[in-house]
Amino acid sequence: AQKVTQAQTEISVVEKEDVTLDCVYETRDTTYYLFWYKQPPSGELVFLIRRNSFDEQNEISGRYSWNFQKSTSSFNFTITASQVVDSAVYFCALSEAWNAGNMLTFGGGTRLMVKP
Amino acid sequence: DADVTQTPRNRITKTGKRIMLECSQTKGHDRMYWYRQDPGLGLRLIYYSFDVKDINKGEISDGYSVSRQAQAKFSLSLESAIPNQTALYFCATSDGPRDRGRTEAFFGQGTRLTVV
Repeated sequence: AQKVTQAQTEISVVEKEDVTLDCVYETRDTTYYLFWYKQPPSGELVFLIRRNSFDEQNEISGRYSWNFQKSTSSFNFTITASQVVDSAVYFCALSEAWNAGNMLTFGGGTRLMVKP
Repeated sequence: DADVTQTPRNRITKTGKRIMLECSQTKGHDRMYWYRQDPGLGLRLIYYSFDVKDINKGEISDGYSVSRQAQAKFSLSLESAIPNQTALYFCATSDGPRDRGRTEAFFGQGTRLTVV
């Protein structure tokens, strides 16, 4: 069965610091998809990125970057020069291709607090 | 207007009462989902539906039922609410072929349900 672990339940940083959110996953499938979602204090879930298991290239989007390593089953998320607006709960999620749908298995989330 | 709309946004109900949470979407997606969020546990899948005639149980379906009234509408019911069903509930939609998990899910704003 699939599983996603986000070992860091809470992280607190000072603005402009870099921060990395860890995500480790387990799956039996050779084809799968990994996601990151952001949940700001307002409560909605905001999609950040999708990565498929065949593409191990790291991705950068502005201050956000993602490091996918199949060898360690990790999909870590780094925020460079953090800002107060980055304060949120971040979820890593997995979807296996054999599923007959896009059902997501979520990690427990990491609450990031960025202090001014 | 939001693409995925949940009503109500907040609800307090008494133990034993029947309650329905509603979800409607304008994205034209066939697939709809209900998730529940609990602190530290992330989101867990309750039910999912590929189309109006295709409804399936998720990881934690006990105590819940659903109805897919139309492509755009998917309701979640608690037949007899209990306090441990207090949680944040999310409806989501996605598109894509049946055997792939690559499309990201779009989430509603969430419904905060408290059972007293």
